[in-house]
Amino acid sequence: QQQVRQSSQSLTVWEGETAILNCSYENSAFDYFPWYQQFPGEGPALLIAIRSVSDKKEDGRFTIFFNKREKNLSLHIKDSQPGDSATYFCAASANTGANTGKLTFGHGTILRVHP
Amino acid sequence: DSGVVQSPRHIIKEKGGRSVLTCIPISGHSNVVWYQQTLGKELKFLIQHYEKVERDKGFLPSRFSVQQFDDYHSEMNMSALELEDSAMYFCASSLVAGGGSDYTFGSGTRLLVI
Repeated sequence: QQQVRQSSQSLTVWEGETAILNCSYENSAFDYFPWYQQFPGEGPALLIAIRSVSDKKEDGRFTIFFNKREKNLSLHIKDSQPGDSATYFCAASANTGANTGKLTFGHGTILRVHP
Repeated sequence: DSGVVQSPRHIIKEKGGRSVLTCIPISGHSNVVWYQQTLGKELKFLIQHYEKVERDKGFLPSRFSVQQFDDYHSEMNMSALELEDSAMYFCASSLVAGGGSDYTFGSGTRLLVI
């Protein structure tokens, strides 16, 4: 059972457009949702994160929208740049229970931004 | 702060062989986790240590063992290597082990088993 699902394996947008990457989860205990960005040959890097008490988190061009009732969230990348082309992983962790702190990752979405 | 340091960066081993991967966490970070990534896809959780104690185990094969030392660096000992062990292995560290911890990943070790 895939606990964190990313609806698109890949997404292509033009430079300047807003890229929207979607994610959903199964476990109601998840309360922390980071997004990681990974370039080829590198390790994932934390991009932005949200806690379940919030419904929106913004950091520059990156915004997370979170819907606790629907158990889904999305990452919006405004004014996409070719340098944003990377794989984006949605992840989740819980603050309680046996697996506290363990990050569960989705399969990733490959974003391509065409100039 | 030099980040999380993994070594070696690349390694090629024959099937049935052994290998040791090393992870040096960020100074002060006592929580270390290992992930396996194949074909640039899913990050599969292998194991977590916090303060030198195993905290959680995921898909770590019984042929592999992981230890965290007094200085919090971690070593993964891999034996009886199989072709399907070929993958990127990432370690990550964080200050604490609780939910909401921000992990910093290393650059990974690419293992190729031939």
